[in-house]
Amino acid sequence: AQSVTQPDIHITVSEGASLELRCNYSYGATPYLFWYVQSPGQGLQLLLKYFSGDTLVQGIKGFEAEFKRSQSSFNLRKPSVHWSDAAEYFCAVGAGGTSYGKLTFGQGTILTVHP
Amino acid sequence: EAGVVQSPRYKIIEKKQPVAFWCNPISGHNTLYWYLQNLGQGPELLIRYENEEAVDDSQLPKDRFSAERLKGVDSTLKIQPAELGDSAVYLCASSPGDGSSYNEQFFGPGTRLTVL
Repeated sequence: AQSVTQPDIHITVSEGASLELRCNYSYGATPYLFWYVQSPGQGLQLLLKYFSGDTLVQGIKGFEAEFKRSQSSFNLRKPSVHWSDAAEYFCAVGAGGTSYGKLTFGQGTILTVHP
Repeated sequence: EAGVVQSPRYKIIEKKQPVAFWCNPISGHNTLYWYLQNLGQGPELLIRYENEEAVDDSQLPKDRFSAERLKGVDSTLKIQPAELGDSAVYLCASSPGDGSSYNEQFFGPGTRLTVL
């Protein structure tokens, strides 16, 4: 069964600083990988996804993520954080085969942005 | 375009009482999901519908939970009877297509359930 680990429960950065959120996955085949963001009281919004091809994926709101098969990682990055980026971020892996369509989420990383 | 609508947004009940959550997906979306999100955790899939058919309900605790999606549009998730451990946020999501590809899932704001 697939699983996702987000090692950092809470990260604090200053506005304008760079950001990297870590995500490690466990899956036996080529994974489908996603990053979602959740603001308080809101549903999740898709930031970006990786299925195949170029391992550096661009998303919305200036975010990008890099798939590294050798490290089983899919870290999310942003060169300059804005105060509005404060939210909770979830990494997810999608299964194939008989469980196609099922997303497994990590526990999330809460991002706090200091002015 | 309206997003995924869920009601109620908040619900407080006493244990052993029944409770129901309603979801209206984005128009035209064939696939509908119900997720459970415990505090400090990521969402966990409870059930997935393709039109009116439940194609994955392996994580749904069927002794107390039930769901339906009549006519392949709106869906209702029910708990009867509720237990203290059911306190969580229940999220509904929908996606277009027939599930043959990993289409983006659009999430509603969720229903926060508190069981006293």
